[in-house]
Amino acid sequence: KQEVTQIPAALSVPEGENLVLNCSFTDSAIYNLQWFRQDPGKGLTSLLLIQSSQREQTSGRLNASLDKSSGRSTLYIAASQPGDSATYLCAVTEGRLYFGRGTQLTVWP
Amino acid sequence: DTGVSQDPRHKITKRGQNVTFRCDPISEHNRLYWYRQTLGQGPEFLTYFQNEAQLEKSRLLSDRFSAERPKGSFSTLEIQRTEQGDSAMYLCASSLETGYYGYTFGSGTRLTVV
Repeated sequence: KQEVTQIPAALSVPEGENLVLNCSFTDSAIYNLQWFRQDPGKGLTSLLLIQSSQREQTSGRLNASLDKSSGRSTLYIAASQPGDSATYLCAVTEGRLYFGRGTQLTVWP
Repeated sequence: DTGVSQDPRHKITKRGQNVTFRCDPISEHNRLYWYRQTLGQGPEFLTYFQNEAQLEKSRLLSDRFSAERPKGSFSTLEIQRTEQGDSAMYLCASSLETGYYGYTFGSGTRLTVV
């Protein structure tokens, strides 16, 4: 059974810092890995999708990497801003999505 | 197409009542998924459809829960005889085939059982 773990569970940083969020999964036979953002009481917004044949994806200040052999992904956020405050969820696909519990990020001015 | 739509956004119900939620997926997506999320947890899989066929149902889904996708378009999730433990955010997502091109989520339905 696929298990997804995200570290840290919570992170509080001052504005401007570069951040790394970690995700690990137990079964490397995945189709892809997707990072989502969730604001309090809201649905999930897709940030980045890394397909199984890819190693990384970039969008603006976000960069995500995937190492299937070691079962790891990282989400790098450059020059963090208060508007980045949210919960970040990592999910892997094996026919359906398997989620971690998320990293709750707070960026203060 | 404006993405995945869920209705209602919020539902407050008394314990023991039945509730039904609706999800309209992206029109060209043939797979539709239901997830449940409680505070501080990641979304938990409930069930999914490919077209009108229900292909997988979580063992965590009790007999009080039923989902349908009658014409392979919109889906409904019904909870009978609601309990306080059913209070959660119910999320719907859709994808093409196996999700290789990613999943799109709706805004969710927040259920509160009082």
